[in-house]
Amino acid sequence: ETGVTQTPRHLVMGMTNKKSLKCEQHLGHNAMYWYKQSAKKPLELMFVYNFKEQTENNSVPSRFSPECPNSSHLFLHLHTLQPEDSALYLCASSQDAGRNTIYFGEGSWLTVV
Amino acid sequence: ILNVEQSPQSLHVQEGDSTNFTCSFPSSNFYALHWYRWETAKSPEALFVMTLNGDEKKKGRISATLNTKEGYSYLYIKGSQPEDSATYLCALLNFGNEKLTFGTGTRLTIIP
Repeated sequence: ETGVTQTPRHLVMGMTNKKSLKCEQHLGHNAMYWYKQSAKKPLELMFVYNFKEQTENNSVPSRFSPECPNSSHLFLHLHTLQPEDSALYLCASSQDAGRNTIYFGEGSWLTVV
Repeated sequence: ILNVEQSPQSLHVQEGDSTNFTCSFPSSNFYALHWYRWETAKSPEALFVMTLNGDEKKKGRISATLNTKEGYSYLYIKGSQPEDSATYLCALLNFGNEKLTFGTGTRLTIIP
């Protein structure tokens, strides 16, 4: 138990659906992240929020829309995704963005059909 | 684009044997190197955060060294146990950048 909880753990959605991934951290951290893990590729940073402000958008398509209502919660809204977006999406948090240790959730497996 | 490389890609080790693997990275603008262990169906778990050239860190049977001048870090596991089976990831943080760049990992399987 890392203190970072993601829901749902598994999601299957059609290309026209709208769904959201949710992340909650109980560690009192100020920074939260979304990462994407595709097969045979390194973990890829998507978004960084530091003190609720988005500080990094790693050229992510607009069909992925993050939301950080407070420093404990992070959402990833999904709309009109493509089959190639199927992947494991990991949420993470750290004390501040930068050199601190990052704590990951267990991930949400997304399949786009 | 930063190139963080890990070798080997996968490794099978007999239980009780010791092993090591490598993370290579560009040495310019170095700030920190992270090591994570990722067991199947679990979340990646932080092992070490290393910042200084010559750093050596230890956690039980696992240790790591860092050479920032030549751009590499080694992870060592002494007396491998089945519970060491996992993917080991390294990640680089550069100055002025909040973005960790991960390698593709070394997948370690311990054979009982």
